[in-house]
Amino acid sequence: EIVLTQSPGTLSLSPGERATLSCRASQSVSRYLAWYQQKPGQAPRLLIYATSTRATGIPDRFSGSGSGTDFTLTISRLEPEDFAVYYCQRYGTFGQGTKVEIK
Amino acid sequence: QVQLQQSGPGLVKPSQTLSVTCVISGDSVFSDSATWDWIRQSPSRGLEWLGRTYYRSNWYNDYAESVKSRISIDPDTFENQFSLQLNSVTPEDTAVYYCARGDYKGGSFDYWGQGTLVTVSS
Repeated sequence: EIVLTQSPGTLSLSPGERATLSCRASQSVSRYLAWYQQKPGQAPRLLIYATSTRATGIPDRFSGSGSGTDFTLTISRLEPEDFAVYYCQRYGTFGQGTKVEIK
Repeated sequence: QVQLQQSGPGLVKPSQTLSVTCVISGDSVFSDSATWDWIRQSPSRGLEWLGRTYYRSNWYNDYAESVKSRISIDPDTFENQFSLQLNSVTPEDTAVYYCARGDYKGGSFDYWGQGTLVTVSS
């Protein structure tokens, strides 16, 4: 079973800064890796699928990249509404999440 | 616009059966590109995929190993909905349960229900 490990656990940044979130797979995976954003009391929201394709309505400040075992979600300039928890996912496996908090 | 609306009891006694239903609007349970999944979330286990049902000329199910012996996910073709049943629950099954639409090929989940908090307690 593939394990997805996200780092860091918490990212403390200011609005306008760039956020770089990592997701590492325990073995090489196909390009079918997705990223989600979750805010308190809400269901996760799909941001990125197939490593780098933005879901419908997702702003272009969100981008995904990677291959093999290492994948990255980048938020180019943090907006106030971007402070949340982010998860990577591949089929039936989710990472443990990275919290992006206001510094 | 696809919408998933969940319903079900919020409290279940230990050893009993947890049941949650998800009504689909804007898509069909017969979709040939989607899967209909259940995912739960708890502080101790994080996001945990439980299983799915999907139609490809016949109905199919896949279940997570962790719950395989006590889970059933069934489509209701008349009401365009699908349901989760989890038997023999314990307090460790306390979680927020989500239904979601999955992409069969890529495995991502693009639409989610609102979530149902189910507490297992006597």
